[in-house]
Amino acid sequence: AQKVTQAQTEISVVEKEDVTLDCVYETRDTTYYLFWYKQPPSGELVFLIRRNSFDEQNEISGRYSWNFQKSTSSFNFTITASQVVDSAVYFCALSEEAGGGADGLTFGKGTHLIIQP
Amino acid sequence: DTGVSQDPRHKITKRGQNVTFRCDPISEHNRLYWYRQTLGQGPEFLTYFQNEAQLEKSRLLSDRFSAERPKGSFSTLEIQRTEQGDSAMYLCASSLVLAGGDEQYFGPGTRLTVT
Repeated sequence: AQKVTQAQTEISVVEKEDVTLDCVYETRDTTYYLFWYKQPPSGELVFLIRRNSFDEQNEISGRYSWNFQKSTSSFNFTITASQVVDSAVYFCALSEEAGGGADGLTFGKGTHLIIQP
Repeated sequence: DTGVSQDPRHKITKRGQNVTFRCDPISEHNRLYWYRQTLGQGPEFLTYFQNEAQLEKSRLLSDRFSAERPKGSFSTLEIQRTEQGDSAMYLCASSLVLAGGDEQYFGPGTRLTVT
């Protein structure tokens, strides 16, 4: 069975601080896919990144960066110089098949990020 | 390019009534997923379609739930004899599965309240 754990229920930081959201996953498969989604107050889930299990390179996209470590089964997400617009609930998700497949995406419970001005 | 759309956005119904939700995926996408999200939780997988074929159903999907995707285009999710425990956000997502995988794009959801 697959499982995603986001231990941080809520994080509050002051604008311009850096913040890291933790994600730990469990899976028996050697091939799997990891995702991060953002859910702003409007409610619509916004795709941020997909990472394949065979690609451990870290990725940076503007103020966002992701650290994938298979040795610790973690896929952490860092926002540098946070902004108020980053306030949202962030979900980490796992799939054992390309695109979601038979079991869809398995989501963590999410981390509510609050950026205070 | 339009995204995934869902209708209605909100639905209030009395316990015991039937409700139906619609999802229109991104036009070229071949997979369509339904999820349910309750307050403070991540989305939970319900079912998915590859084109018009329903390939998998979660154990969360009781006999009161049924989904269709005629002609591999839009999809409907029907809940019969609604219960208060059915109150949740129902999310639809679509993806185009290619070699190497692809990501799911979500619609805005339908919020169901059963009174």
